Amino acid sequence: DAMVIQNPRYQVTQFGKPVTLSCSQTLNHNVMYWYQQKSSQAPKLLFHYYDKDFNNEADTPDNFQSRRPNTSFCFLDIRSPGLGDAAMYLCATSRGRGRRYEQYFGPGTRLTVT
Amino acid sequence: EDQVTQSPEALRLQEGESSSLNCSYTVSGLRGLFWYRQDPGKGPEFLFTLYSAGEEKEKERLKATLTKKESFLHITAPKPEDSATYLCAVHTNFGNEKLTFGTGTRLTIIP
Repeated sequence: DAMVIQNPRYQVTQFGKPVTLSCSQTLNHNVMYWYQQKSSQAPKLLFHYYDKDFNNEADTPDNFQSRRPNTSFCFLDIRSPGLGDAAMYLCATSRGRGRRYEQYFGPGTRLTVT
Repeated sequence: EDQVTQSPEALRLQEGESSSLNCSYTVSGLRGLFWYRQDPGKGPEFLFTLYSAGEEKEKERLKATLTKKESFLHITAPKPEDSATYLCAVHTNFGNEKLTFGTGTRLTIIP
């Protein structure tokens, strides 16, 4: 089945220790998104790629970076995680941008910062 | 700034007891309203998109409707497997092609 895969599902890192989260997709979608979702809160968009074009949200901290080396893979790098970065990180894809394109989400990576 | 408010925050129903979830929005030019289902510890799963007031869509026990100010997700004769958090999200004219999500309604169906 075509899908969005995230690894690892659970990640524990130490305060200030860089961490990378991975997302891959077999849907061959053009757009890939990274969201942060804290407990009982709405998913918050961090950034997205339309093909190789990177689009950062204005309020995404500089501590968060992303790479998309090819169509299938996208990475979220947190350079110096703080306690406030503990959250579920969701990767999503869509065939295009705009209202006609629903987003398909992966299962998420639960990040714990100690 | 676009705002999406969902109510109630949590809802407990007996199996078979029909009800509705509300999503109200204040946005600059709605272009689409999306409903997602999210199970604990998982990513959201797409349910419906509504584009204009008066539009309705159905899937099994779920029916989504849209007015100019709000959307309802009606659930008819729910079963325990319908228990989940239901999220709505809006796509607007000036949102840089992004979705703005509400915080969701946590629905529990008691057998």
